[in-house]
Amino acid sequence: AQSVTQLDSHVSVSEGTPVLLRCNYSSSYSPSLFWYVQHPNKGLQLLLKYTSAATLVKGINGFEAEFKKSETSFHLTKPSAHMSDAAEYFCVVTIDSWGKLQFGAGTQVVVTP
Amino acid sequence: EPEVTQTPSHQVTQMGQEVILRCVPISNHLYFYWYRQILGQKVEFLVSFYNNEISEKSEIFDDQFSVERPDGSNFTLKIRSTKLEDSAMYFCASSETFNNEQFFGPGTRLTVL
Repeated sequence: AQSVTQLDSHVSVSEGTPVLLRCNYSSSYSPSLFWYVQHPNKGLQLLLKYTSAATLVKGINGFEAEFKKSETSFHLTKPSAHMSDAAEYFCVVTIDSWGKLQFGAGTQVVVTP
Repeated sequence: EPEVTQTPSHQVTQMGQEVILRCVPISNHLYFYWYRQILGQKVEFLVSFYNNEISEKSEIFDDQFSVERPDGSNFTLKIRSTKLEDSAMYFCASSETFNNEQFFGPGTRLTVL
C-alpha cells in the first residue's frame, strides 16, 4: 500500500534561517513525487517534482528536494526562509498509472521576523 | 500563465439539495481530477476523468456524485443530495498527461447546513 508521511505538522523558523520539511513515502509503484504549497485562501501551487531523473530537484522560490530511495524520503529544504514562505506544504506522491495523487497531512510553516 | 479556475469560490446549501461545482481546466490538458479536503484533514482523491469517462474513482465517490465535461471546456462535479459530511473544500485539477504535474484550481468551499 502507498502512503505519505510528513513528519512535522508544524514548523516555525526565523526569517533568514534554513527550512527543512520532512517527508517519507512508501510505494510499490515507481512513483513521481511532488511538493505543493498552499497559501491562505489560495489554491495548491506546485513547488517541484521528481520523476526519476536527477535525485536533487530544484523548484521555485529557492526550494529544493532530494529523493533518497534507500531512505524512502523526499525532504524539502530552503537555505534562507522568507516571510512569504509562511504557508502549508504538502508532500504528494502518484500511486497509480492514472496519476492519482496521495497527499501527506501537510506541514504548516510559520516564519517569524 | 494558464490556470485552472473554479466557481463558485464558496457555496452554501441545505442538506438534501443538489450542488454543481464548476471548473475550467487548462485548455490543452486531457486529464481531469477532483479532490476534496475536509477541514483539518488530508486532501483526498475523488475521481479522475479522461477521454470523456471516469478512469478511476475513490470509495468516497458514491452514487451521489457525478462528473461531466458538458461542453469541452467546463468540468463539473455534481452532488445529488448533499449531506453534512460533504462540507469541504473541493479542488479541481488538470494535467497534460497522466504522469505529469497536476495544476490545481483555487477550490470551492462547500458548506452544507
